[in-house]
Amino acid sequence: QLQLQESGPGLVKPSETLSLTCSVSGGSISTYSFYWGWLRQPPGKGLEWIGSIYYSGNTYYNPSLKSRVTISVDTSKNQFSLNMNSMTAADTAMYFCARHGAGWPRERFWYFDLWGLGTLVTVSS
Amino acid sequence: SYVLTQPPSVSVAPGQTARIACGGISFGTKSVHWYQQKSGQAPVLVVYDVSDRPSGIPERFSGSNSGNTAALTISRVEAGDEADYYCQVWDDSSDHPVFGGGTKLTVL
Repeated sequence: QLQLQESGPGLVKPSETLSLTCSVSGGSISTYSFYWGWLRQPPGKGLEWIGSIYYSGNTYYNPSLKSRVTISVDTSKNQFSLNMNSMTAADTAMYFCARHGAGWPRERFWYFDLWGLGTLVTVSS
Repeated sequence: SYVLTQPPSVSVAPGQTARIACGGISFGTKSVHWYQQKSGQAPVLVVYDVSDRPSGIPERFSGSNSGNTAALTISRVEAGDEADYYCQVWDDSSDHPVFGGGTKLTVL
C-alpha cells in the first residue's frame, strides 16, 4: 500500500535553510487525483499546513509562510521536497508529509487521508 | 482568515458518548474533516466531508454540522479512543486549509 516517509536533518541552525524530502512508495506520485503536502506541529501544539504540490509542479502555500517556503517535486524519484529558509526556534516542530485530494471544490477534497510518520526538526545553535 | 475553536479537553467514561465541538465560523453546509492523533503518532483521518468515514474507521465515529458548530461524536467510547482530535476546514477567505487547536479526549 502507499506509504510516505520524511527524511532530512533533525537539527538546523538559526537563520539556516531546512530541507526535507518525502519519499512516496507503493504507488506513483504522478496521479491526477492527489496533491502532496507538508504540515507541521510544534511540540505540544496543533497542526499547521505549510503547502502542497501537484505532480505537474503546481503549488499552493500557506500565506503566513509563503515568503520562506519552496516545495518541489521530482517525479523520476517519486518524491517531493520542502525548503524553508531563515529558520528560527519558532520553527521547531514535527514535520509531516501527507496526501490530499485534488478535486473541486477544494473544501470537499482538501483533507489529508495519508500521512508520513513525521520527522522532528529542532532549530538550535 | 478563519480561526477554529475547540475545547481543550473532553472526558468520558468507557461505553459512553463523546462529543467534540468545533466552532469559530458559520459552518452551514461547509465541509469539515476530523483527525485523530494518538500520542507520538501521526494524525489519522476519521471523518471527512462532514460525515463520511474512510475505510477502516468504525461506525462509532460520526460527524455533523449545525449553524456555528461542527461536531465529532464517538459512540460507545473505548480506551483506545483516547487521543487528540482536530477539526479542519478550507478557509475561503485566505485560500488554504486550517485546523482547530485540538481537543484531548480522556477516557476515564
